[in-house]
Amino acid sequence: NAGVMQNPRHLVRRRGQEARLRCSPMKGHSHVYWYRQLPEEGLKFMVYLQKENIIDESGMPKERFSAEFPKEGPSILRIQQVVRGDSAAYFCASSLATGELFFGEGSRLTVL
Amino acid sequence: RKEVEQDPGPFNVPEGATVAFNCTYSNSASQSFFWYRQDCRKEPKLLMSVYSSGNEDGRFTAQLNRASQYISLLIRDSKLSDSATYLCVVRTSYDKVIFGPGTSLSVIP
Repeated sequence: NAGVMQNPRHLVRRRGQEARLRCSPMKGHSHVYWYRQLPEEGLKFMVYLQKENIIDESGMPKERFSAEFPKEGPSILRIQQVVRGDSAAYFCASSLATGELFFGEGSRLTVL
Repeated sequence: RKEVEQDPGPFNVPEGATVAFNCTYSNSASQSFFWYRQDCRKEPKLLMSVYSSGNEDGRFTAQLNRASQYISLLIRDSKLSDSATYLCVVRTSYDKVIFGPGTSLSVIP
């Protein structure tokens, strides 16, 4: 039973490029969460999705960031026109309707 | 006020010590509570769920006080391997899951 799978594990982008981070939830999980962790800081909630729906995006920056969780395929966190301040670890987690979250190993974005 | 607050730490304790972490949350409609641990540059992992009656798992004891909106974690007989950041986590009635800022623990030989 595979856990939460995130890829890529490491991504390097130059300023102005786009970054796409993918997350496949655990089998049977319909709830997906994205968190960002800046160096030496805590986890910050970004967005909560269910299949084909964004439930809560209150933690998403208003510009350049978007997320989706299509009917088929992984959840995608997309960052357009990346800036150095976007360098961080991006963690995805999934859960059932209730209960604990299970995390992927994270995607580490470095913007040069 | 932050939605979930924790002791700022860091906590530096000798092996064998007992250490307690405190956490408060602001949303009285919160429904589920957890403690996670995060090792440096790794993903958070569930340590234990927190139940209203309190619960224990080996050296770890968690308590919940809904009236005071307060959660605690007690670690007895600390081991070197307990060194990590401990995260208080609250799940609200509308499924938003909020992590506290974490409390860092270093267990010293």
